[in-house]
Amino acid sequence: DTGVSQDPRHKITKRGQNVTFRCDPISEHNRLYWYRQTLGQGPEFLTYFQNEAQLEKSRLLSDRFSAERPKGSFSTLEIQRTEQGDSAMYLCASSLGVTGARAAFFGQGTRLTVV
Amino acid sequence: KQEVTQIPAALSVPEGENLVLNCSFTDSAIYNLQWFRQDPGKGLTSLLLIQSSQREQTSGRLNASLDKSSGRSTLYIAASQPGDSATYLCAVFPPNSGGSNYKLTFGKGTLLTVNP
Repeated sequence: DTGVSQDPRHKITKRGQNVTFRCDPISEHNRLYWYRQTLGQGPEFLTYFQNEAQLEKSRLLSDRFSAERPKGSFSTLEIQRTEQGDSAMYLCASSLGVTGARAAFFGQGTRLTVV
Repeated sequence: KQEVTQIPAALSVPEGENLVLNCSFTDSAIYNLQWFRQDPGKGLTSLLLIQSSQREQTSGRLNASLDKSSGRSTLYIAASQPGDSATYLCAVFPPNSGGSNYKLTFGKGTLLTVNP
């Protein structure tokens, strides 16, 4: 499978614990995006990387959230001291970052439940 | 700030019916628009991408149109089937991005139920 891969698919954690999610983009893609989707809402942009550089962060990304893409390949999203409001689907997408009409492709997401 | 609205929020139809889902956006200076399907608890499946210079795209029983000047897009589904039941999301690409910036703005989606 050469699509965007996310791990784990589901995560249940207790409030106050730290969690980390992983996204493996399509291999030749140099841009990687994280989104968050809460129940009944559309996905909302969190942050994106070009290669290993984090180029933009949404105001939704509080200081408890940190994202990395150490070698410009896979990315991790860590949430520290989780809160119940962090319960959501976390989605990852990747792209080539070149001009042209290319559809955005997303992974299957990681569903986080904070209890 | 771009805002995307989808109407209706939910739609229930009998099998075989043709239907239209609506998407509107406040800033017409978008680059592209993309329709997605989302099954419960799953990720997003791309359905159709409409470039800013196009007015419509077709794939099988799906047809999407785009009217940038009025800030509207529609997704037409012909001869609906129970397997079409899902949430349909539209998303707009930011302007002046050359289509390479996937910082998308999404609507909340339309929950479609097709009854056998």
